[in-house]
Amino acid sequence: DQQVKQNSPSLSVQEGRISILNCDYTNSMFDYFLWYKKYPAEGPTFLISISSIKDKNEDGRFTVFLNKSAKHLSLHIVPSQPGDSAVYFCAASGSYNTDKLIFGTGTRLQVFP
Amino acid sequence: DTAVSQTPKYLVTQMGNDKSIKCEQNLGHDTMYWYKQDSKKFLKIMFSYNNKELIINETVPNRFSPKSPDKAHLNLHINSLELGDSAVYFCASSPQVAGMGTQYFGPGTRLTVL
Repeated sequence: DQQVKQNSPSLSVQEGRISILNCDYTNSMFDYFLWYKKYPAEGPTFLISISSIKDKNEDGRFTVFLNKSAKHLSLHIVPSQPGDSAVYFCAASGSYNTDKLIFGTGTRLQVFP
Repeated sequence: DTAVSQTPKYLVTQMGNDKSIKCEQNLGHDTMYWYKQDSKKFLKIMFSYNNKELIINETVPNRFSPKSPDKAHLNLHINSLELGDSAVYFCASSPQVAGMGTQYFGPGTRLTVL
């Protein structure tokens, strides 16, 4: 049972435009959400996170939005740059020490000039 | 000054062999993890250790045995390797246990079982 879903396996965006990556989850006990970025042959790198008490968190060009009622979060990248081309993983967790970080299957973002 | 390092980066071996993957973190974190990314790109947790104590042990065959000699190291030993063990294995660490802590990943070890 896949508790975190990224339904778009890939996304192609022109440089300078907005990239919107989506993520849906099913477990209402999740209260911490993260986005990771992964380049080929490297490990995932933390990008931005949000806790369930917020609906938005911003860090430079990256903004994460959380809609708890819809069990949906999204990552906005504005403006998109070619260096943003990577696979983006959404992840979610509860807040207990035995809770696991559950990852989505990733969305490959390609930013073209 | 690599934060989370793994060795080896690539491992090619025959079915039935025993192999180990080493992981070290120099971030001073208390918690370390092993993840498996299979051919479908699912990144799934296998184990987590907090201060050398096993916290999470997913449904993983007991051919997989993690060992944490100290809180900076978490090694993964795999006995009697099978074809289905072929995957990329990632080590990670976090300053606190999984629930609220950002995890920092190593570069991965690509294991190929022939």
